[in-house]
Amino acid sequence: DAGITQSPRYKITETGRQVTLMCHQTWSHSYMFWYRQDLGHGLRLIYYSAAADITDKGEVPDGYVVSRSKTENFPLTLESATRSQTSVYFCASSVSDTQYFGPGTRLTVL
Amino acid sequence: AQSVTQLDSHVSVSEGTPVLLRCNYSSSYSPSLFWYVQHPNKGLQLLLKYTSAATLVKGINGFEAEFKKSETSFHLTKPSAHMSDAAEYFCVARTGNQFYFGTGTSLTVIP
Repeated sequence: DAGITQSPRYKITETGRQVTLMCHQTWSHSYMFWYRQDLGHGLRLIYYSAAADITDKGEVPDGYVVSRSKTENFPLTLESATRSQTSVYFCASSVSDTQYFGPGTRLTVL
Repeated sequence: AQSVTQLDSHVSVSEGTPVLLRCNYSSSYSPSLFWYVQHPNKGLQLLLKYTSAATLVKGINGFEAEFKKSETSFHLTKPSAHMSDAAEYFCVARTGNQFYFGTGTSLTVIP
């Protein structure tokens, strides 16, 4: 029972490079979310998806792109990474008002 | 838009003493409310949730929270702290399809 997984768990990249963070869930939950966690800000919503091929912006979407061709996958792409995108990224899925979180990806942009 | 305020960024208690983590929300109507816990280098785990049923909600590990509409509060309590309770706690409100997080309260438990 894997639940929700994220890969990679740790990533170091350079400014200007494209990076994709993967998120996979085994439950077939309709809703999925991407958050970033930064000191002093808690978790902030980047994008969310209500179903396959339906995505919407959250609080801090600039510089990020998402897609959802399959219900179980929700990748997050940084098209041209910047230092300000250094953060811990959490993917979540939800059903019946409850969110279930992945273990997080720690991304460092040099 | 919804906002969630966690009134204390850090709380320190002695083992065996009560825990109180405070949360206020702002909304024109009652949202669904949650408390999540995050242990170091881990993902978030649901402690409890309020969804307009009983105002006193019991969660895992002895935690409970009381919804007070008149005060727009949803404070988290535990009668007796354990060392394993040391973690970051997040109060969350859900309105529509979005979840709004407080900035977190770091709980330290002193042996």
